[in-house]
Amino acid sequence: DAGVIQSPRHEVTEMGQEVTLRCKPISGHDYLFWYRQTMMRGLELLIYFNNNVPIDDSGMPEDRFSAKMPNASFSTLKIQPSEPRDSAVYFCASSPSLGNTEAFFGQGTRLTVV
Amino acid sequence: ILNVEQSPQSLHVQEGDSTNFTCSFPSSNFYALHWYRWETAKSPEALFVMTLNGDEKKKGRISATLNTKEGYSYLYIKGSQPEDSATYLCAFPHDMRFGAGTRLTVKP
Repeated sequence: DAGVIQSPRHEVTEMGQEVTLRCKPISGHDYLFWYRQTMMRGLELLIYFNNNVPIDDSGMPEDRFSAKMPNASFSTLKIQPSEPRDSAVYFCASSPSLGNTEAFFGQGTRLTVV
Repeated sequence: ILNVEQSPQSLHVQEGDSTNFTCSFPSSNFYALHWYRWETAKSPEALFVMTLNGDEKKKGRISATLNTKEGYSYLYIKGSQPEDSATYLCAFPHDMRFGAGTRLTVKP
């Protein structure tokens, strides 16, 4: 397996534009996580899915953020409208289960909102 | 939400020094703890999955211990090398929320 694949690797957009980040988890992994790396909060959990169902979205900062997982091999994180304070590296990770198995991270998407 | 606390926040050591840092967690409802290593400009990678009280796991010069009764895990690095410089994170896997991490810098 190629591992967790995120796209794009880098995204530069103007304030107010819609941004969509994409993630393909490792095949067979039932859990998918979205994180944001910030200076203030380190690696912050935004939302996670189990079998394509959102389980905990309490980390989603505000209504401008939304995440979907239409099938087991694809998830999106959308920001609409984007703001400069959304600039960060966004990571996606997947895991076969919660507990005895590790999570595997994608390479991240560096988002810059100007 | 069950939080993990990590200390110290940062650590600077000389090459060759041995070092350790701590992850503290609520001891009730424990079933596992994860340690990850996160190098700058890279993605976090798992080091250890700790599940049993008294667990001790080792990978090269890095080892970890677990005390579920008192709610802490230690990560040890023996003979630190510059390539060990990274942020070390722990997480409760019930929701995969990470602690703030310990940023280790090893000076040559």
